[in-house]
Amino acid sequence: GDSVTQMEGPVTLSEEAFLTINCTYTATGYPSLFWYVQYPGEGLQLLLKATKADDKGSNKGFEATYRKETTSFHLEKGSVQVSDSAVYFCALSDRGTYKYIFGTGTRLKVLA
Amino acid sequence: NAGVTQTPKFRILKIGQSMTLQCTQDMNHNYMYWYRQDPGMGLKLIYYSVGAGITDKGEVPNGYNVSRSTTEDFPLRLELAAPSQTSVYFCASQTGARGDEQYFGPGTRLTVT
Repeated sequence: GDSVTQMEGPVTLSEEAFLTINCTYTATGYPSLFWYVQYPGEGLQLLLKATKADDKGSNKGFEATYRKETTSFHLEKGSVQVSDSAVYFCALSDRGTYKYIFGTGTRLKVLA
Repeated sequence: NAGVTQTPKFRILKIGQSMTLQCTQDMNHNYMYWYRQDPGMGLKLIYYSVGAGITDKGEVPNGYNVSRSTTEDFPLRLELAAPSQTSVYFCASQTGARGDEQYFGPGTRLTVT
């Protein structure tokens, strides 16, 4: 079945460092791909998404490119801030069903 | 526009008790979902609904029941609570258009002792 694998955390960075969180997926069809962010004590909120190969999603300085050839959707940010500290989830939506598959989440901690 | 709301925010149950977690959305979304999130883990789908009167099981439905009598509401019922049901529960909704994102509520933290 479909699955999402993302790098384990926690990831600890200094402010203004470069961030990469790896995400790879397996899917039988052509899924849509998402990154969600969860701040402490809150629900998940959409960070960015991409719906077809080579699409780049971007929001708040974060970017991810849908790479069909490597089945990846890595999250990047050029300069992280303390306020980016949160848990990040990679997810896919199989267009054949209405279900969403989530990775296990990667905790990011940014130090001032 | 409140989005997805959930009540209660926190609850402690004794083993064997029952309760209903409430979920309401005001975005006229057709699709609604219930997930549980265990510590350090991702989300696991309990039940979902593609419209009023239609529900289906996810990957971990045992011990739970749902109903969908209106577009707005999707309550989750726990019967005979067990310690294994200690978790954070999230409700989500989605338009029904493929490729659209889900909108999540703030969650209900449930402890069964």
